[in-house]
Amino acid sequence: QKEVEQNSGPLSVPEGAIASLNCTYSDRVSQSFFWYRQYSGKSPELIMSIYSNGDKEDGRFTAQLNKASQYVSLLIRDSQPSDSATYLCAVSNSGYSTLTFGKGTMLLVSP
Amino acid sequence: NAGVTQTPKFQVLKTGQSMTLQCAQDMNHNSMYWYRQDPGMGLRLIYYSASEGTTDKGEVPNGYNVSRLNKREFSLRLESAAPSQTSVYFCASSDRGRLSTNEKLFFGSGTQLSVL
Repeated sequence: QKEVEQNSGPLSVPEGAIASLNCTYSDRVSQSFFWYRQYSGKSPELIMSIYSNGDKEDGRFTAQLNKASQYVSLLIRDSQPSDSATYLCAVSNSGYSTLTFGKGTMLLVSP
Repeated sequence: NAGVTQTPKFQVLKTGQSMTLQCAQDMNHNSMYWYRQDPGMGLRLIYYSASEGTTDKGEVPNGYNVSRLNKREFSLRLESAAPSQTSVYFCASSDRGRLSTNEKLFFGSGTQLSVL
């Protein structure tokens, strides 16, 4: 059974700080990694994807991937109260036709 | 552009009752998915349809059936509902089902189902 592990949180950070969200996965052959954001009572939406080792930046968001350590992270710079949500890590399965999701980390950004 | 539309948004069933959750997408996507989300359990894949005419089991298929009616519509049926099926159900779609590129899942707004 493929596993994707995340700390459930909540992770509390003050406004303007850097929030660091972490994810580990069990399947060494996984190649594609995604971060979805889910506001309370809403559906998930994709915010970042990463396929190669290293960093990928998009605005205030940076995804980091280390396949040797089977570790993915999401950094949110200059955190805003509107970033308060649950962040879901997802990993593609062999054949790339489905995703396995982690249980999510709740982020709380206080003004 | 509606995206992915799920009906109903809320439903209460008694144990043993049956019902069908409907999902339709207007983005001409090939692949469609049904997930359930339980507190503390994350999103778990129930069934998916990589293309019109095909369906495959996901992680938690027991107690469910699906029908890919056409390219637009993918329904989820509970034949005899059980309290363990109380959950929030999300339908999703993707363009080609090749989640190795920038292709992403588009989610519907969800169905909150309670089985008493």
